Amino acid sequence: GAVVSQHPSRVICKSGTSVKIECRSLDFQATTMFWYRQFPKQSLMLMATSNEGSKATYEQGVEKDKFLINHASLTLSTLTVTSAHPEDSSFYICSARELGMGGGYTFGSGTRLTVV
Amino acid sequence: EDKVVQSPLSLVVHEGDTVTLNCSYEVTNFRSLLWYKQEKKAPTFLFMLTSSGIEKKSGRLSSILDKKELSSILNITATQTGDSAIYLCAVEAYSGGGADGLTFGKGTHLIIQP
Repeated sequence: GAVVSQHPSRVICKSGTSVKIECRSLDFQATTMFWYRQFPKQSLMLMATSNEGSKATYEQGVEKDKFLINHASLTLSTLTVTSAHPEDSSFYICSARELGMGGGYTFGSGTRLTVV
Repeated sequence: EDKVVQSPLSLVVHEGDTVTLNCSYEVTNFRSLLWYKQEKKAPTFLFMLTSSGIEKKSGRLSSILDKKELSSILNITATQTGDSAIYLCAVEAYSGGGADGLTFGKGTHLIIQP
């Protein structure tokens, strides 16, 4: 089945630095990928839709300049958390859908970001 | 704004019991409803429902969608401790551009006691 690889799985960074998270679709092409954020004991919240070759679409309340999304190829989307602060600490998950397969979205394994 | 509400938020049962998890939604241009199981990390896909009244089954799990009531249920029979997880319900809506991301409920935290 479709597999989405997300890297790194865990990262600790200092306040003020930037962190890049990669999301790759393996064995299928994803023109659209999605980035979610999950706070403890809360559900997944869609942050943005990443479109290959064009600008990402951000959900209301998500800062575009803080969460930079790049979808440079049909198999890779990246999320960069810029000038990270402790409140950015969270679990970030990407997903993609393999069109025509009749199944649901495939999720990456997630990235636990801790900003200290 | 699309909304997904799950109930109960948490549930503790004994092994062997049958459980029913509920999901209701309000969404513009409904496309599909999906159920996921989340253990420690990313959610794993269980079911995708698009048509009302057609039950989908996978082993001890089954799910059905009621478009008239804007709801879905997920049943788990003969529960096992390995079923302990957070069960997430999500809806997908049509948009002009195609794939539109998912709106998730808060999940039901299911605990199966031996």
